[in-house]
Order: sequence, then structure tokens, then C-alpha cells
Amino acid sequence: QKEVEQNSGPLSVPEGAIASLNCTYSDRVSQSFFWYRQYSGKSPELIMSIYSNGDKEDGRFTAQLNKASQYVSLLIRDSQPSDSATYLCAVTPDTGFQKLVFGTGTRLLVSP
Amino acid sequence: GAVVSQHPSWVICKSGTSVKIECRSLDFQATTMFWYRQFPKQSLMLMATSNEGSKATYEQGVEKDKFLINHASLTLSTLTVTSAHPEDSSFYICSARTGAGEKLFFGSGTQLSVL
Repeated sequence: QKEVEQNSGPLSVPEGAIASLNCTYSDRVSQSFFWYRQYSGKSPELIMSIYSNGDKEDGRFTAQLNKASQYVSLLIRDSQPSDSATYLCAVTPDTGFQKLVFGTGTRLLVSP
Repeated sequence: GAVVSQHPSWVICKSGTSVKIECRSLDFQATTMFWYRQFPKQSLMLMATSNEGSKATYEQGVEKDKFLINHASLTLSTLTVTSAHPEDSSFYICSARTGAGEKLFFGSGTQLSVL
């Protein structure tokens, strides 16, 4: 069983719409959760981090965490074509924060 | 945000040769750096955790004698792919943590192609 699972997509949304990206993880002791954006051939860029249940908003991005359901999501409001990328969900699998485990990523396509 | 510099950006080498990749934290001291490998359309897979002044910790299945990691200073870690083979062709990315917390900042990655 994969530790972090994401739908590979592509998820296609029109410009201006809300894009919803989902991620589930298997390790209940996971403590920290991150969303990274990765353009093709580039390294990941941190977008959001979330540590406690609930919502966390930063500009057009909202991260949602539900530890009971082992589920974390990322909402992108007013999607722009420049948001088209692969979004990676990452989880620290233990309390030591020593390393991140990444999902396979969801490819988002925002059409003009 | 913190800056992690990685060189080279891409390298092509012949099978059997060795390739060294450098990862530098430019504006912070990184006691721990991480090396990831990413195959096309796959996620980042952690190869090893590099700690300054000590031996790297390798993930299961990663050959430590093939992927040599040296973290000689608080700002520099190197990954050497020894006796490279075509199956080692991949995108290698380093990352480092700032001292303030567990957020990772990534280098720009190195695309390795072994002929």
C-alpha cells in the first residue's frame, strides 16, 4: 500500500474555476502535510503547509486537513493557466520531521 | 525564502563513468540535506539523508557504494553516481531544511542521462 496516494489526473478545469486536489495517507502518526507545485523539468516549489485539522488559507490557495479521515486537500480558487502543473502532496511520516514522503502528484490543466 | 543551489542542471555521461552533483545552501546552514530521485511521471523518491559531518543514511534499496554522499560542510552536500549505467538516468534533486523548522527547500535539480 502506497503511503501517500493521489489521483494522477490530469484534472482539467477552465480558467477562473476552483480546482480541487486530493491526497490520502496511510500513516496515522503523520504530523505535517505539504503541497508542492512542480512544473515539468523543474524542482518542486512549496505552496502550503498544514499541521492541524481544518482549513488554512493563503491567497487563492486553501489547504484542508482531516486527520481522522487521513485526508488532505488543496483548493485553488480563480484558477489561472499558469497554475497548470503537477501538484505533489507530501507527508512527514513520523514525529521526527526527518523526511518527507511524496505522493505521485496530480497533474492540473487550466484551460484559458 | 531559503535558496538551495544545485549543479549541474544537466549532464550527459558515458556508461561506466562517475558523475558528481553539488547541492549548496546559499543563505542558511543546513545540517541535514536530502537527495531525491525522480523518474518521468513518477514522484520523488528519497534516496538518502545527508547529515553534516557524519555518514549518510540511505533508504532501503539504494546502494550506498553506488551513490556516494558527502556532506563536508554546513552548506554543501555532494552526490556522486559511480559507474553510471543507463538505468541511473533520472532527475536528481537535493533539498535542505532551514534551521527554523521542517520545511524543505529544493535545488533546481540535475537531469542525468547515461548513454
